[in-house]
Amino acid sequence: RKEVEQDPGPFNVPEGATVAFNCTYSNSASQSFFWYRQDCRKEPKLLMSVYSSGNEDGRFTAQLNRASQYISLLIRDSKLSDSATYLCVAGYSSASKIIFGSGTRLSIRP
Amino acid sequence: NAGVTQTPKFRVLKTGQSMTLLCAQDMNHEYMYWYRQDPGMGLRLIHYSVGEGTTAKGEVPDGYNVSRLKKQNFLLGLESAAPSQTSVYFCASSGTEHSNQPQHFGDGTRLSIL
Repeated sequence: RKEVEQDPGPFNVPEGATVAFNCTYSNSASQSFFWYRQDCRKEPKLLMSVYSSGNEDGRFTAQLNRASQYISLLIRDSKLSDSATYLCVAGYSSASKIIFGSGTRLSIRP
Repeated sequence: NAGVTQTPKFRVLKTGQSMTLLCAQDMNHEYMYWYRQDPGMGLRLIHYSVGEGTTAKGEVPDGYNVSRLKKQNFLLGLESAAPSQTSVYFCASSGTEHSNQPQHFGDGTRLSIL
């Protein structure tokens, strides 16, 4: 079992829709969590950190559920420009222990 | 502000050849990392460095070596390239303990081993 698991998708949704992804992590020692966005053939870029209390940045909302060991990303009013792969990341205290999920592909159609 | 710069962007090697990938960052970051990304596998850490003169093994270090002689540079070497090393390689840096800070990535090196 992978330490960080994501549904690979693709999720294909119409513009303006709300879409949500979940990501599960297997190690309860995980201390920090992030969502990155990666466009085709580009580098990953930080979308948002995920805090215990949940956090929102514009149309994006991230939630952490430690009891069930998953994080989620909600995108409201999706735009064509949101089409990308979204990477879930779990980190530990050790510099060598930051685990990337394989990513969830999102495609927004007009 | 260039951020993290990787060279070269693309390279094709024959099995057994050697090469060095260069990563440079201008953000005065202490931590630097080398990852490889393969389809369906996500990013996997090869080696990392917590400061000038230090290196450590990550998840998939075999077949690679690294050096951090200067704070701003982190080199990844392939001594004898193998087809299994065909991948996209990303360098990243962060200012402090990475588990609390996001990483900044270079735009990748696409390496093919024939």
